[in-house]
Amino acid sequence: GNSVTQMEGPVTLSEEAFLTINCTYTATGYPSLFWYVQYPGEGLQLLLKATKADDKGSNKGFEATYRKETTSFHLEKGSVQVSDSAVYFCALTDYYNQGGKLIFGQGTELSVKP
Amino acid sequence: KAGVTQTPRYLIKTRGQQVTLSCSPISGHRSVSWYQQTPGQGLQFLFEYFSETQRNKGNFPGRFSGRQFSNSRSEMNVSTLELGDSALYLCASSITIAGDTNTGELFFGEGSRLTVL
Repeated sequence: GNSVTQMEGPVTLSEEAFLTINCTYTATGYPSLFWYVQYPGEGLQLLLKATKADDKGSNKGFEATYRKETTSFHLEKGSVQVSDSAVYFCALTDYYNQGGKLIFGQGTELSVKP
Repeated sequence: KAGVTQTPRYLIKTRGQQVTLSCSPISGHRSVSWYQQTPGQGLQFLFEYFSETQRNKGNFPGRFSGRQFSNSRSEMNVSTLELGDSALYLCASSITIAGDTNTGELFFGEGSRLTVL
């Protein structure tokens, strides 16, 4: 079945450091890929998405490129801030085969120190 | 514009009891999905309702059920609670069918945290 694997956390970085959170997926169809972020005590918020191969999603300085050849959707940011501290979830949906349910990775906790 | 509202935010139950959680979607949204979040299993899909009909269901036992009303508000019910049901239950709404790449973006509530003793 479809699945998502994320790099394990927690990840601790200093402010202005470069961020990469790895995400790989297994899917039989043509999934859409997402990154969600969960700040402490809050629900999940969509950070960015990509719906087909080679699409790049971007938002708030974060980027991720849908790589079908490596089945990856790694999240990157050039310069993190303390306010980026949160848990990041990679997810996919195979809408046409499995409806709208999201399949999530385990989440990666990011802590940014000043 | 009000977001997704879940009630109650926190609740404590004992084994064998049942619980009902409520979700009010964003105004105009017709789809409501439910997810369970636990430290061990992460985020898992429970079910999705659209126009009062269950469209999709995850791999949970029949103790987990839900429904959607004509105003799109949704409830989920867990009967005969077990310790393992302790979790954060997240509701998400979308304008149309969840996952539709153009209009199916999910908006999540803050969740209902259930503790089973």
